[in-house]
Amino acid sequence: DTEVTQTPKHLVMGMTNKKSLKCEQHMGHRAMYWYKQKAKKPPELMFVYSYEKLSINESVPSRFSPECPNSSLLNLHLHALQPEDSALYLCASSLWDRGRDEQYFGPGTRLTVT
Amino acid sequence: DQQVKQNSPSLSVQEGRISILNCDYTNSMFDYFLWYKKYPAEGPTFLISISSIKDKNEDGRFTVFLNKSAKHLSLHIVPSQPGDSAVYFCAASAPAGAQKLVFGQGTRLTINP
Repeated sequence: DTEVTQTPKHLVMGMTNKKSLKCEQHMGHRAMYWYKQKAKKPPELMFVYSYEKLSINESVPSRFSPECPNSSLLNLHLHALQPEDSALYLCASSLWDRGRDEQYFGPGTRLTVT
Repeated sequence: DQQVKQNSPSLSVQEGRISILNCDYTNSMFDYFLWYKKYPAEGPTFLISISSIKDKNEDGRFTVFLNKSAKHLSLHIVPSQPGDSAVYFCAASAPAGAQKLVFGQGTRLTINP
C-alpha cells in the first residue's frame, strides 16, 4: 500500500459549522503533514507531526486544530472558518528515518466555506 | 520573499522531444531538492529528488541536474509524452527544519502531439 487517503473529497461548510478532515496512510511513515493550497499557488505547510507529536505549527490560526490519534491517522478539525479558508487541503506523509526523505501526498479535500 | 522560484509559468513541448523545467533558489542553506508533478484535482506526485552532494540524479525518463554555485536546478524529461502534461513544482529543504518543504510557484507543462 503506497498511498495516502483523504476524506472527504469535497466539503462545503458554513462559517459556524464544525467539521473534520481525515487522512490515513499505511506505509509505516512516522511523519505526517497538513498543507493548504490555493488556486494557482504552491502548497503551503500548516502542521507537521513527527512520531505522533506536533513538531511544526506554521503560525496557523486556532480555528484549525490538528490531531494525530496514531501513527497512521491525521485529522484536521475545522471551526468558525472564514470564506478565505476555502482551498485544497492536502495531507502528506514521509518515512522520517533518515531525516531527509520525500513526502507523499494524498488527493486532497476541496473545502468551500460559505 | 520567494526562496524557490520557477520563472516560467508555462512550457509547451512537442511529444518525443526533451522538456526542460527550471528552478532557482536563493537560500544557500537548502541542500535537498525535489520535483513533484500535479494533475488537476489530485495531490502532488513525487517524481525525483537530489541531495546537494550530487549534481545529477536519474530515474528513467527523468533527470534532475543541480548547479550549486548558480543555485539552479533543472528537470529534464526525455522523451516527453502526452501523460507528462501537468503542473511541475520544485521544492527545497534545509537541514534545520528538514521537514519543511518550500515550493516554487509551479510550471504548467503541455506536451503537444
